[in-house]
Amino acid sequence: AAGVIQSPRHLIKEKRETATLKCYPIPRHDTVYWYQQGPGQDPQFLISFYEKMQSDKGSIPDRFSAQQFSDYHSELNMSSLELGDSALYFCASREEGQVNEQFFGPGTRLTVL
Amino acid sequence: AQSVTQPDIHITVSEGASLELRCNYSYGATPYLFWYVQSPGQGLQLLLKYFSGDTLVQGIKGFEAEFKRSQSSFNLRKPSVHWSDAAEYFCAVGAPGTGGFKTIFGAGTRLFVKA
Repeated sequence: AAGVIQSPRHLIKEKRETATLKCYPIPRHDTVYWYQQGPGQDPQFLISFYEKMQSDKGSIPDRFSAQQFSDYHSELNMSSLELGDSALYFCASREEGQVNEQFFGPGTRLTVL
Repeated sequence: AQSVTQPDIHITVSEGASLELRCNYSYGATPYLFWYVQSPGQGLQLLLKYFSGDTLVQGIKGFEAEFKRSQSSFNLRKPSVHWSDAAEYFCAVGAPGTGGFKTIFGAGTRLFVKA
């Protein structure tokens, strides 16, 4: 079965640089979620989109922005990167109105040097 | 607000021994409950989930969990632990509501398995 795809899987950036993480949801899934998991931490909800509109917002820094495109893939844009942004970023997708479960991607590991 | 508590930061068990990881949740309605496992540097793998019905749910890798509404608990169990079970385990609650559905995770329990 198709799963959530995230790219890149690993990313290394310098402080103050920008980064873009991509998420391709499972086909027919119209809702996408982003989570951030810092070292030794549990995943924290950042933001979600339903039908290309932001549906919920969590603890996402103002330096981050995200959007969902017409093909339902989503991108998380991170600017002015800080050392503390080093984390594993998960994307999850769900088909609204169907099962109450999110399907998680493998994650993108971002390292900020 | 919804929350998940995993009281044990880490647990060490001997290989072949039984395991129980504790999870308590706070949620007003019947929750959607999940257990995930994460090996170091890896993604989240769903072990099992509870939505409704039988309160004892079976998952992959020989794991099971029991939903107890009266105790607001969803403890994970395995009768005989294998060395490969050493990992981080997250209990989570799915919280539908205004703003949409999202998953709230507990802080995790790190399982160590000794030979």
